[in-house]
Amino acid sequence: EDKVVQSPLSLVVHEGDTVTLNCSYEVTNFRSLLWYKQEKKAPTFLFMLTSSGIEKKSGRLSSILDKKELFSILNITATQTGDSAVYLCAVEGASGTYKYIFGTGTRLKVLA
Amino acid sequence: NAGVTQTPKFRILKIGQSMTLQCTQDMNHNYMYWYRQDPGMGLKLIYYSVGAGITDKGEVPNGYNVSRSTTEDFPLRLELAAPSQTSVYFCASSYFRGLGEKLFFGSGTQLSVL
Repeated sequence: EDKVVQSPLSLVVHEGDTVTLNCSYEVTNFRSLLWYKQEKKAPTFLFMLTSSGIEKKSGRLSSILDKKELFSILNITATQTGDSAVYLCAVEGASGTYKYIFGTGTRLKVLA
Repeated sequence: NAGVTQTPKFRILKIGQSMTLQCTQDMNHNYMYWYRQDPGMGLKLIYYSVGAGITDKGEVPNGYNVSRSTTEDFPLRLELAAPSQTSVYFCASSYFRGLGEKLFFGSGTQLSVL
């Protein structure tokens, strides 16, 4: 059965700290891994990763994929209170058709 | 650009009532999905569709039905609402072109069954 596991489940840090969020997966015919940020409502897209070892970067956020060890990490440097959110990892697989399997998310709270 | 539009945004149902959650997208996406998100949890796939006239069950389909008569619309039907269906529902779409593609989400419907 396809599964995506995120860790930690929740995290509380202070502004300025650096955090690393983890996503491991077991998915048939892996195609891509996506990171989303969810604050109040709909998840907003952060990154899509398809190749191992290539870092995606956007401001203070970066992510990398390891297809051999089947995991991805999302790094946030110099955290701000606006980074407080649930971070979701989704893996796109192809077992008959194309589906996205989501992890349970990591709830990040950044304290001022 | 409208993207993925869901209605209603909020709804309260009594046990046993029925309702339809509407979802429409204007991006000509062939794939559409319904997810539910329970408090503190990730998203669980209810149903998905790979094109007009084609639908299939996801991880948690019991108590729901869908149809896909057009590329744009993918309504989700709850026939006999139960308290276990209290959740936030998200419609999403993507365009399969043989490469990895991101999901586009609607703003969600918060449903309470009392």
